[in-house]
Amino acid sequence: DAGVTQSPTHLIKTRGQQVTLRCSPKSGHDTVSWYQQALGQGPQFIFQYYEEEERQRGNFPDRFSGHQFPNYSSELNVNALLLGDSALYLCASRFDLGGYTFGSGTRLTVV
Amino acid sequence: SQQGEEDPQALSIQEGENATMNCSYKTSINNLQWYRQNSGRGLVHLILIRSNEREKHSGRLRVTLDTSKKSSSLLITASRAADTASYFCATVANQAGTALIFGKGTTLSVSS
Repeated sequence: DAGVTQSPTHLIKTRGQQVTLRCSPKSGHDTVSWYQQALGQGPQFIFQYYEEEERQRGNFPDRFSGHQFPNYSSELNVNALLLGDSALYLCASRFDLGGYTFGSGTRLTVV
Repeated sequence: SQQGEEDPQALSIQEGENATMNCSYKTSINNLQWYRQNSGRGLVHLILIRSNEREKHSGRLRVTLDTSKKSSSLLITASRAADTASYFCATVANQAGTALIFGKGTTLSVSS
């Protein structure tokens, strides 16, 4: 049973560009959340999707947007990239009110 | 924003010793969860404790929750080198959806 799958694993982008990160949740999981983790910090909540709608959002600007597809997979889009967007982006999924299963993350570097 | 604060920030122990990490949080919670992260990769869920529970065990892990003090502790007994990792507490606040709000973590080093 595959866990949470994220792609790509690493990415280098230039300031001002746009990026799309992808996530396939664990089989049977219908809720997907995205987190940003800067070096040496704890993950920060970006947003959560359930039934293809954004249900909850953290303190991130509108440059961060997302989508959930009918098969529960999800995308995170970041527009107008800034140097400060360099981080590990983590996707997590769950079913019902249990603990979350995390993917291995996408390491984004903005130069 | 960070909800929790873990203490200590870093902990170094020998194999076989016990490791205790503490977490404090700010708001009323539905549940509190502990996660482990190896070398900046994905997080692994360790244990979930609900607000009406005071203690929970899972293998070598023991978690306590004191909602009156808004604090939790994670005890790892008989530590192994493989326990070397960063440990995070994360809370799910009451009436605020189900998002996890993480602390900054405790880095545990277990030497053999």
